[in-house]
Amino acid sequence: NAGVTQTPKFQVLKTGQSMTLQCAQDMNHNSMYWYRQDPGMGLRLIYYSASEGTTDKGEVPNGYNVSRLNKREFSLRLESAAPSQTSVYFCASAWDRGEQYFGPGTRLTVT
Amino acid sequence: QQQVKQSPQSLIVQKGGIPIINCAYENTAFDYFPWYQQFPGKGPALLIAIRPDVSEKKEGRFTISFNKSAKQFSLHIMDSQPGDSATYFCAASIISNSGYALNFGKGTSLLVTP
Repeated sequence: NAGVTQTPKFQVLKTGQSMTLQCAQDMNHNSMYWYRQDPGMGLRLIYYSASEGTTDKGEVPNGYNVSRLNKREFSLRLESAAPSQTSVYFCASAWDRGEQYFGPGTRLTVT
Repeated sequence: QQQVKQSPQSLIVQKGGIPIINCAYENTAFDYFPWYQQFPGKGPALLIAIRPDVSEKKEGRFTISFNKSAKQFSLHIMDSQPGDSATYFCAASIISNSGYALNFGKGTSLLVTP
């Protein structure tokens, strides 16, 4: 079991560029989540998905889009990156209630 | 708007001490309160969790105390060790149409000195 995997681990973008962060889980979890972590801000929810075909906005969705491709995969897209999106991004998955399992994170820098 | 407020921001204790981290919330609909531990360069990992129908839960050296009327909960680490040095996050969750989203506190950076 790999758990939750994220690619890439590191990325540097220029302002205005686009990219997709990939997340996959092999635990057959229904729910998947995207968070961003900034110093002194804790973890803030960007988007989440309770099941295939459903997504919902979290606390800080502006500038992002998501796709729940299937039960295993949940991707996060930045259409036009901005320096304010420099952060560490974590994907997580869970059964309906209870422990969320986090991936190792993607460290993104936007210059 | 921060739905879960966590304090202190940082904490230094000596080995064997009992660090205490506090969290407060406003939304009485929250019904699941986990604590996560995060080491540098890693994702958070669940440490211990409690539901509001109990006032205390212990797992090894870690204890959650929960005060429903005050809308507060805290983490105590007994006999703390240098290996406990990490960032700790409290959280609270509530059901929505899309599942159970966690609202995190801002985190407490704990350093346990030898």
